Amino acid sequence: ETGVTQTPRHLVMGMTNKKSLKCEQHLGHNAMYWYKQSAKKPLELMFVYSLEERVENNSVPSRFSPECPNSSHLFLHLHTLQPEDSALYLCASSLRTGGPTYEQYFGPGTRLTVT
Amino acid sequence: AQKVTQAQTEISVVEKEDVTLDCVYETRDTTYYLFWYKQPPSGELVFLIRRNSFDEQNEISGRYSWNFQKSTSSFNFTITASQVVDSAVYFCALSEMNDMRFGAGTRLTVKP
Repeated sequence: ETGVTQTPRHLVMGMTNKKSLKCEQHLGHNAMYWYKQSAKKPLELMFVYSLEERVENNSVPSRFSPECPNSSHLFLHLHTLQPEDSALYLCASSLRTGGPTYEQYFGPGTRLTVT
Repeated sequence: AQKVTQAQTEISVVEKEDVTLDCVYETRDTTYYLFWYKQPPSGELVFLIRRNSFDEQNEISGRYSWNFQKSTSSFNFTITASQVVDSAVYFCALSEMNDMRFGAGTRLTVKP
C-alpha cells in the first residue's frame, strides 16, 4: 500500500467555496506536514504536526486551517481562497517528532485551482 | 535566516553522461540537516539522502553520490552514467529544528 495518500488529486474551487484536502499515512510515523508548491516559489512549509499537536505555523493565512485528528490523518480545510492560492499541496510524514529533521515521505499532492 | 540556493535551473544531458547538481546553503546554526529529494513528473517527492552537519563523509549509493563540504557550505549531488529515468526535478533542502527550507530545484532532462 502506498505510504502517504492524498485526496482528491485534483480540485477546482471558487473563491467562496469551502473544501478540505485529506492526507493519510500508513507508515506509523509521528509527524505530518503540509507544503505548498507553486510555480513561482520554492516549496513552502505551511504546517507541522507532531503527535497530533501543531508545532509550527509559518505565518499561513487563516483561510487555510489544518486539522490532525490522529497521527495517521491530516486535513487542510480551505475557505474563501484567492486565485494566488492555486498550487500543488503536498502532504508528508516523518518517523520522529521534534521538527522536520528526519527524512520525510511525501504524498502525490493535490493540484488545487482557485477560480 | 536559512537559505538554500540551487543555481542551476535546468540541465540537459545525453544518456550515460555524468551530471552534478549544485546546492549551496546558508545557516547560522551549528546543528542542521541537509537533504536531497527527487520529484518525477508524477509529482511525489522521493527522499534520496539526509546528512547532518557533523557528518562530512561523502556517500555513494549506486550511480548517486553526494559531496558535503562545510567549508564551502555546499552539498552537491552527482549522477554517474545518467539514464532517462533520472529525468526529474531535484530539490536540495536544509532543516533546523522546526523549519525546512527547500531550494528552487533543478530540472534535469536526460535525453536518450
